[in-house]
Amino acid sequence: DGGITQSPKYLFRKEGQNVTLSCEQNLNHDAMYWYRQDPGQGLRLIYYSQIVNDFQKGDIAEGYSVSREKKESFPLTVTSAQKNPTAFYLCASTYSNRGPSGNTIYFGEGSWLTVV
Amino acid sequence: RKEVEQDPGPFNVPEGATVAFNCTYSNSASQSFFWYRQDCRKEPKLLMSVYSSGNEDGRFTAQLNRASQYISLLIRDSKLSDSATYLCVVIHNTNAGKSTFGDGTTLTVKP
Repeated sequence: DGGITQSPKYLFRKEGQNVTLSCEQNLNHDAMYWYRQDPGQGLRLIYYSQIVNDFQKGDIAEGYSVSREKKESFPLTVTSAQKNPTAFYLCASTYSNRGPSGNTIYFGEGSWLTVV
Repeated sequence: RKEVEQDPGPFNVPEGATVAFNCTYSNSASQSFFWYRQDCRKEPKLLMSVYSSGNEDGRFTAQLNRASQYISLLIRDSKLSDSATYLCVVIHNTNAGKSTFGDGTTLTVKP
């Protein structure tokens, strides 16, 4: 079945450690996104990528890094510079340039990151 | 001002009630509009797209008003299972591909 796979689902990080969240999609989507969601809050865009080897900062990129070496993959690294990383992280993807009705966003099941 | 703003909620309604949510957006170049549903501790899932002519899917009706820059979602005959957070999403053309989510409106349907 086509979809978006995020791993791990639960991750615990020690202070000062970098961690990488994986996101893989087999939907042949061009664009991929990372969002952060804090309890009771909305989604905030961290980074997004329209094509391979290119990505743009979202609204809260500080303390995070990404890469887009393959169309299917968009890993997110939460660095030690991110002072409050405990949150729910969602990866998403969509087609680009398919017109108003063609760019529905699909989400992975999310990754819960906790700093211990 | 946020790019996308939703009714703050929460909405607490009895079963069978009709409830409506609004979502305003600030970028007039916005191209695509959607409503998503998010259950507690789960990922958002597409509820319905919003078309210029308005669209209906069973008990749900979505409308777009480009002149006033808002979209709406109407839920008729509310069910207990409709309890969730509803997110509006706006994708605009000037920053191709960047999607902006509202903060969501929480609906609780009570027996």
